[in-house]
Amino acid sequence: AQSVTQPDIHITVSEGASLELRCNYSYGATPYLFWYVQSPGQGLQLLLKYFSGDTLVQGIKGFEAEFKRSQSSFNLRKPSVHWSDAAEYFCAVGRHSGNTPLVFGKGTRLSVIA
Amino acid sequence: SQTIHQWPATLVQPVGSPLSLECTVEGTSNPNLYWYRQAAGRGLQLLFYSVGIGQISSEVPQNLSASRPQDRQFILSSKKLLLSDSGFYLCAWRGGTGGQGVTEAFFGQGTRLTVV
Repeated sequence: AQSVTQPDIHITVSEGASLELRCNYSYGATPYLFWYVQSPGQGLQLLLKYFSGDTLVQGIKGFEAEFKRSQSSFNLRKPSVHWSDAAEYFCAVGRHSGNTPLVFGKGTRLSVIA
Repeated sequence: SQTIHQWPATLVQPVGSPLSLECTVEGTSNPNLYWYRQAAGRGLQLLFYSVGIGQISSEVPQNLSASRPQDRQFILSSKKLLLSDSGFYLCAWRGGTGGQGVTEAFFGQGTRLTVV
């Protein structure tokens, strides 16, 4: 069965510090991986996605993620966090076919302090 | 371009009242449509998904139902709301034609439902 684990429920970082949000997945085939961000009371916005090729993918808002097949991980990183990055972050996995739903992790809430 | 509309944005309903939340997608055809519920600290729970008109798959037995009367319309309903139905409901779409092989999901802005 497909599953996604985000080990950190809540992370607090200082503005300007680097960030890494962890994501581990369990999937029987080649996974399609996604990171989404959600601001309070809003829908989810896609940050980046990985399908194949270069294992380091760049996304919007200065985020990047690295796919590591051997570790079944797809961690999200940002070199310097801005206060506006405070939000909830979700990792998701799915098949290429859009007929199947994406499976989401439970999310990591990011707080940014001055 | 494709857009997704979800309404209302907020809703306060008494226990035992009916519910109807609507979601429509524009700019694509034959999308796969999803209803998720989000409770605080519990991530996204998939409630229903649909791969075509009249085709509904239920992921969690509960007090809710879904219907897809038209290709790009997805409705979440309840005959009698319970307190436990409170939460943030999100509609999403994925795949479909006209989306050029779209594989990520796109979300509406959500509906905050409070049952009192």
